[in-house]
Amino acid sequence: QQQVKQSPQSLIVQKGGISIINCAYENTAFDYFPWYQQFPGKGPALLIAIRPDVSEKKEGRFTISFNKSAKQFSLHIMDSQPGDSATYFCAASSDTSGTYKYIFGTGTRLKVLA
Amino acid sequence: SAVISQKPSRDICQRGTSLTIQCQVDSQVTMMFWYRQQPGQSLTLIATANQGSEATYESGFVIDKFPISRPNLTFSTLTVSNMSPEDSSIYLCSVDRDRGHEQFFGPGTRLTVL
Repeated sequence: QQQVKQSPQSLIVQKGGISIINCAYENTAFDYFPWYQQFPGKGPALLIAIRPDVSEKKEGRFTISFNKSAKQFSLHIMDSQPGDSATYFCAASSDTSGTYKYIFGTGTRLKVLA
Repeated sequence: SAVISQKPSRDICQRGTSLTIQCQVDSQVTMMFWYRQQPGQSLTLIATANQGSEATYESGFVIDKFPISRPNLTFSTLTVSNMSPEDSSIYLCSVDRDRGHEQFFGPGTRLTVL
């Protein structure tokens, strides 16, 4: 119920290609879905986030698509660059007694080939 | 966003000893969170620290093993007690500035227990 399933575990994309990472959840109480980017030796950095009242959100080359009925959301990285090579985590959260706690997906290691 | 620092950035410790990790934020925040990220794995929430009250621990984590202090609105510590090699992980603090959804992470503390 509390899990967030993320796929694929790893992804290799050519420079200029589209990277797509998928996540699925079960708990319909989740109401905030962020994506984080983590480089080796660094903490995760918030990339983009979406709430379930919209189906898509775009920020630069990064787009979240959200399918509320399927309980799935995905991250699309357009025109992928070698600098995008990192681990990406999706997460889901809901209000738990006034605190928004995150449940993280298992992560996707993206490698963009030059 | 928020500027978050952690000390130490990394440490190598002997089995049976304890290590205290510090987390400092550049501005006052309501909620602070402590996560564990085992090598190559996702992030798991250890506990939530609200200033002026006892930390709230997630299932599988106990105060005797991971005591937390939150003396003011910009600082928190996590102690990893009686360490074993299984405690080797990256420990991350994050903050939720306005009881909203966004969490911002520190750079992490890489702990190796021999």
